[in-house]
Amino acid sequence: DTEVTQTPKHLVMGMTNKKSLKCEQHMGHRAMYWYKQKAKKPPELMFVYSYEKLSINESVPSRFSPECPNSSLLNLHLHALQPEDSALYLCASSQPFGDINEQFFGPGTRLTVL
Amino acid sequence: AQTVTQSQPEMSVQEAETVTLSCTYDTSESNYYLFWYKQPPSRQMILVIRQEAYKQQNATENRFSVNFQKAAKSFSLKISDSQLGDTAMYFCALTTANTGNQFYFGTGTSLTVIP
Repeated sequence: DTEVTQTPKHLVMGMTNKKSLKCEQHMGHRAMYWYKQKAKKPPELMFVYSYEKLSINESVPSRFSPECPNSSLLNLHLHALQPEDSALYLCASSQPFGDINEQFFGPGTRLTVL
Repeated sequence: AQTVTQSQPEMSVQEAETVTLSCTYDTSESNYYLFWYKQPPSRQMILVIRQEAYKQQNATENRFSVNFQKAAKSFSLKISDSQLGDTAMYFCALTTANTGNQFYFGTGTSLTVIP
């Protein structure tokens, strides 16, 4: 299984809502990532988890809260978002740096904040 | 600091022709990897090809090959026999041994294959 899955595919939420994005992989990868991507732009790194511990937080606003319950699962909790947070949110996974460290990307969740 | 530059925001190629996408990078690290990722419209980002810096031989995957010029810090992607399904955004990316699994992406090249 070389797949990263993300749910939901689409999400529309108001600025007062609380929602969560979910990401799952069963490749035995121990590094997982959240990215934000605007149209025609490269992915922007938000968070990195390595061995279920947060290793990188790219100064992301606190209205985004990541969680890594186990080595296969990654969540992104959303609260009090702004319209400018509307984007494609990508999850990825990889082995920690070693011989093979390509990142496998999920299909993304397209988020619209009203 | 690590940087990746893609100087061609948009390119087009006739079906069955060959096209080359440019990428230059900068890093002071000696142990690093380079990648080309493809993101078709509204579809998943997938790895096209990767190159380990310590390998002198250029990587090849079917119709895709790279020209890795280490001294010039250049990593171009050549697509031969272009197909309609090659229409996509292409991102060049760099990761190094000391950057905590972090990828550095270029700004991307939007490639359109014309029938």
